[in-house]
Amino acid sequence: AQSVTQLGSHVSVSEGALVLLRCNYSSSVPPYLFWYVQYPNQGLQLLLKYTTGATLVKGINGFEAEFKKSETSFHLTKPSAHMSDAAEYFCAVSDGFGNEKLTFGTGTRLTIIP
Amino acid sequence: EAGVTQFPSHSVIEKGQTVTLRCDPISGHDNLYWYRRVMGKEIKFLLHFVKESKQDESGMPNNRFLAERTGGTYSTLKVQPAELEDSGVYFCASSLLGSGAGTEAFFGQGTRLTVV
Repeated sequence: AQSVTQLGSHVSVSEGALVLLRCNYSSSVPPYLFWYVQYPNQGLQLLLKYTTGATLVKGINGFEAEFKKSETSFHLTKPSAHMSDAAEYFCAVSDGFGNEKLTFGTGTRLTIIP
Repeated sequence: EAGVTQFPSHSVIEKGQTVTLRCDPISGHDNLYWYRRVMGKEIKFLLHFVKESKQDESGMPNNRFLAERTGGTYSTLKVQPAELEDSGVYFCASSLLGSGAGTEAFFGQGTRLTVV
């Protein structure tokens, strides 16, 4: 069975500061990893994903994540936070074997301090 | 192009009543998923349709939940009778079939169900 752990249900950073949202996963097969974002009153939107190949993945809005197999981690980062980044972020994993169902973490709500 | 659409956006019902949630996927998406988020917890998989067929319903909580996908287009999720623990946000997602590894699933805005 797969699982995802997101450390920190709430994270606050100052505008312009580094954003770091942590995600660790457990999977018995090579995982496919995703970060989704939910802005207020909207559905979940894909930020980025890792399937195979390069372990540093770049996504939309300046976000990136690095797949580290040895640490079973897929942390999300952004060098400089913007007020518009305030949202809830979800890390997810799938096994990709013809069934793309996602196993999600509990989410991290990101607050940006002006 | 329209995204995934869910109706209603909010629903408040009394315990014991019936509620039907609807999801209209992106046109041409044969994969359709239902997920649920109970307050403060993770988003959990409920079931997966491929066209009109149930591919995986391992996440359905119990037999009070019934999902259908008429003609492989829109889907409904009926809860009958509703219980307090059914409260939460129900998300629908759709994706293309056979698009390879890590196919992106597109999510709707969700239906917030409150059972009182």
